[in-house]
Amino acid sequence: DAKTTQPTSMDCAEGRAANLPCNHSTISGNEYVYWYRQIHSQGPQYIIHGLKNNETNEMASLIITEDRKSSTLILPHATLRDTAVYYCIVRVSEYNTDKLIFGTGTRLQVFP
Amino acid sequence: NAGVTQTPKFQVLKTGQSMTLQCAQDMNHEYMSWYRQDPGMGLRLIHYSVGAGITDQGEVPNGYNVSRSTTEDFPLRLLSAAPSQTSVYFCASSYSRGLPQHFGDGTRLSIL
Repeated sequence: DAKTTQPTSMDCAEGRAANLPCNHSTISGNEYVYWYRQIHSQGPQYIIHGLKNNETNEMASLIITEDRKSSTLILPHATLRDTAVYYCIVRVSEYNTDKLIFGTGTRLQVFP
Repeated sequence: NAGVTQTPKFQVLKTGQSMTLQCAQDMNHEYMSWYRQDPGMGLRLIHYSVGAGITDQGEVPNGYNVSRSTTEDFPLRLLSAAPSQTSVYFCASSYSRGLPQHFGDGTRLSIL
C-alpha cells in the first residue's frame, strides 16, 4: 500500500512557484521522503530527497514538517517543461531492504 | 556511461509464452529493482535486489522471476505470460541504500 497521499492534479502559471503537497502521516523514523517526476511515458526522474531536514538542489526545494507527517516540493520558477506527474515516495531503506513505494502522484500542468 | 539500459523497448507476446526482459547498468550500482506501471497508475514494485546473489519480492511478484548473478545485470522473467501482465516495465538502480535510483526508459509489453 502506498504510504503517501497527494492531490490528483494541480495547475501553475509559468514563472510562478509550484508548491506540491504530500501527506505521509504513517512514515517511520528511518524512511526517507523522495520526489520523482515522470514526463510523458519516460522513466521517472529523481528530483530531491530528505529525511527530516529541509533540502534544496538545483531543481527544487523540499520542506518537511517537524513531525515528518507531510512535506512540500517547491519548484521555484515553473516552466512549461516542468509539466509532468510528480510522485512523493517513501523509501524504506534498511538491512537488505530498499524499496520505493509509489503512490498515484500529482499531475502538474504548467500553463503560459 | 550508458546508465540503465533496458531491452527490448517494445514486445508483443501471446498468452502462455515466456520471455526475459533485460536490464543492465554500468554504474557499479548495488541496488536494482523492477517496477510495472499500468495506465493512470504509479509504479508498483515487482522484485528488487540489494546486491549480487540477493533478491526479494516487492508488492506484485506473482508471475515473475528474477536473478542477480552479476552486479550489472538484473533480468526479469515472465514464466507464462498473461494479458494482466500487459504493462510498461521499468528497471532502476542505485549505488547504495538512501541514494537516488536511476530509471531506464522502460519496456512496453503487450500480451494478447
